[in-house]
Parts: sequence; structure tokens; C-alpha cells
Amino acid sequence: ILNVEQSPQSLHVQEGDSTNFTCSFPSSNFYALHWYRWETAKSPEALFVMTLNGDEKKKGRISATLNTKEGYSYLYIKGSQPEDSATYLCAFIRGSTLGRLYFGRGTQLTVWP
Amino acid sequence: DAGVTQSPTHLIKTRGQQVTLRCSPKSGHDTVSWYQQALGQGPQFIFQYYEEEERQRGNFPDRFSGHQFPNYSSELNVNALLLGDSALYLCASSFKSGTGAGYTFGSGTRLTVV
Repeated sequence: ILNVEQSPQSLHVQEGDSTNFTCSFPSSNFYALHWYRWETAKSPEALFVMTLNGDEKKKGRISATLNTKEGYSYLYIKGSQPEDSATYLCAFIRGSTLGRLYFGRGTQLTVWP
Repeated sequence: DAGVTQSPTHLIKTRGQQVTLRCSPKSGHDTVSWYQQALGQGPQFIFQYYEEEERQRGNFPDRFSGHQFPNYSSELNVNALLLGDSALYLCASSFKSGTGAGYTFGSGTRLTVV
């Protein structure tokens, strides 16, 4: 069984707060780590595809880092806005099963005005 | 540019029945994967189709089967439905394995088995 863990399970913050969540995955047989943003009643949207240890990616106020040696990735949101409210999913891809995503359960973020 | 289209959006079936879910991939994509998301869980991989063949399969029973057509669209069939099959079924498309550019997901089909 391949475990991908995300924490916290849910997060409630005020508009303007910065926040971060964690994705833990197996450190062996790593190929890639994906982050997805999923708003209610919509489809998951790819945020980042990360492949190299030490990768840092940024899209607007959202950024992510990757540590493949210890098996974790952080997602940061700077100055949260109500429109950032969504579930953030990470998905691990291992080298022996390319194309198959192993998802965590997600972190549900609610940003209050 | 249309993304991934899934139909129907909602479905209610009775135990023991059979169901077919449909997926049209994003234009330019040739690979389709199916995921099941049960309540409180992350999406679980069912299988992936490429060049009209099942390329990988997750830990799902043979009651779950699929097909990919020459236009890259795909169907997911579930036979002898169980209450536990109630879930959101997501379709994702990509070009080849999709590991480099991420996947494009549909908004899912919500299946309720009663």
C-alpha cells in the first residue's frame, strides 16, 4: 500500500493570512509530485508538476517546494483570498507505474472575508 | 478549448444493475484515466487507457471494465453494482503518460447506488 498523507485535513483562515500545507509521500522510486486545486462542483485544476529535489514553483500568490529525499512537499499561499477556498490535493507518481496518480485526501481550505 | 467532458453528471442506480459512464478527453490528448473518489477519501486510480488498450489497472475488481474508442473517448462500465460503488467518478486526460504536464480532469459523475 502506497500512502500519501496530507495535513492538515482542513484549515480556516482570515482573508490576508498566509498559510501552508504539507504532503508526505514515499521517498523511494520517486518520479513526480503534482498539486491540484479543486473547487466545489468544478474539476481539479493542475497547479504544479514537480520532478526535481529542491524544486520551487510559483504561480501568483501560491508556491510549492519539494524534498524528494525526505518525501515531502509544502504548498504556500501568501495573503489568502476568499477565492482561494478549495481543496488542495497532492498526487505522487512513482517511477515503476508512470501515469498513475496516488492521491492524498486533500486539505480543505476556507478563507473568510 | 473544451476540457474534459463527462456524462452524465449524476446517476442513481439500484444494487445489481450495470452502469456506463462516458468521458471525452481534452483536444490533443490521447490517454484517459479513471478515478473513484469515495466520501472522505482521495481519488483512487481505477485504470488507464492508451491506444485503445488498458495500460495500467488499480486494485479494482473485474466488475469494473473500460473501453477507449479510436477518437480517444472512453467508457467506464461497472457491473453488479454494490452500495459501496457509490462515489464520484473522475476522468482525466493527458498526452501520453501525462507525468510532465499534469492531467486535465473532468468535473466527474456522481453515482449513487441504492
